[in-house]
Amino acid sequence: EPEVTQTPSHQVTQMGQEVILRCVPISNHLYFYWYRQILGQKVEFLVSFYNNEISEKSEIFDDQFSVERPDGSNFTLKIRSTKLEDSAMYFCASSESAGHQPQHFGDGTRLSIL
Amino acid sequence: AQKVTQAQTEISVVEKEDVTLDCVYETRDTTYYLFWYKQPPSGELVFLIRRNSFDEQNEISGRYSWNFQKSTSSFNFTITASQVVDSAVYFCALKGGNTPLVFGKGTRLSVIA
Repeated sequence: EPEVTQTPSHQVTQMGQEVILRCVPISNHLYFYWYRQILGQKVEFLVSFYNNEISEKSEIFDDQFSVERPDGSNFTLKIRSTKLEDSAMYFCASSESAGHQPQHFGDGTRLSIL
Repeated sequence: AQKVTQAQTEISVVEKEDVTLDCVYETRDTTYYLFWYKQPPSGELVFLIRRNSFDEQNEISGRYSWNFQKSTSSFNFTITASQVVDSAVYFCALKGGNTPLVFGKGTRLSVIA
């Protein structure tokens, strides 16, 4: 069964450094998402992406965040200048459509900011 | 605004017991979708089920069943004859027509052998 893949599984970065989290969505999916889960808390929506542009973003997704689809397969989340509070599990998801189709999640990247 | 409430933070049951995880939602949309996801200790999020607001039929899949009641805005999840492998955090989630997926805080289920 096709799946969403995320790399790396764990990223350790010094505060203030830039980090790029990578995702390969399911190949026939058109909608892509990033979510964040701070340890022990609920999963929070960050951003959705369709047709090479952001379709929606949450309050969490401020100017230090950006997303990109640099080629036909990858979908990246960049955090420009990381803060301690950015430490979390970051999930990428994709879906066939924006409405009723379920979003399929990757295994997540655990980001640790030191 | 969309909201999902999972009032049970943690549940512990003995293997083979039945367990029901509660989910109550709030939305102003007339068309919306409800989901359950499982997050095992390894951390990934596994899609379990989707239900749309026009389909109130209950669903059974093996030991899993779901009870959607629009009148009480609830979408409860029952595991019959629980097993140790069912131990995980279970998230209920809601998606309106043009709104992002909103998750509840999750219920941590521990099944003890």
